[in-house]
Amino acid sequence: KNEVEQSPQNLTAQEGEFITINCSYSVGISALHWLQQHPGGGIVSLFMLSSGKKKHGRLIATINIQEKHSSLHITASHPRDSAVYICALNRDDKIIFGKGTRLHILP
Amino acid sequence: DAGITQSPRHKVTETGTPVTLRCHQTENHRYMYWYRQDPGHGLRLIHYSYGVKDTDKGEVSDGYSVSRSKTEDFLLTLESATSSQTSVYFCATRLGITGSRDFGPGTRLTVT
Repeated sequence: KNEVEQSPQNLTAQEGEFITINCSYSVGISALHWLQQHPGGGIVSLFMLSSGKKKHGRLIATINIQEKHSSLHITASHPRDSAVYICALNRDDKIIFGKGTRLHILP
Repeated sequence: DAGITQSPRHKVTETGTPVTLRCHQTENHRYMYWYRQDPGHGLRLIHYSYGVKDTDKGEVSDGYSVSRSKTEDFLLTLESATSSQTSVYFCATRLGITGSRDFGPGTRLTVT
């Protein structure tokens, strides 16, 4: 069983829709990361969080440590949000990466 | 932004040839990492370094070696490239306390 699972694997939505990407994990962690990777591009860290909720612009990340679950929300989605979103776990000084969610926002 | 560059950005090489990828950072971060990214897999750790001349293996280290002779440079070497090493390689750094990684732009390696 993978230690970190993301859902959905692929998501296509219309511009303006509210987007939710989920990350569930099965191990103890010190923190969780959300990363963004544009097609053919590098990887950018969006959030690192160990509790509660963080917001940056139209992006919101939440984590529930007890339930071992995190969500990344995008409000008022835009085609430029099209990317792969990766959940990653901080565990024992290492990072465990999810396989990513491919998001495609249609204009 | 940790000012991470990778070279080359793209490379095509033949099976059996040696290949060295370079990661250079300008922020004096202590920790440096090499990952590979393949379809259907998350990023997987190849090797990492926790200081000059201090390196350790990751989960997919077979066929790879690394060296770090200066804080700013971390080299990944494929001694004899194989087709299974066709991948996109990312370098990352970490200052130390926060745990967040800064990633380089990636190197796309094709082994024919």
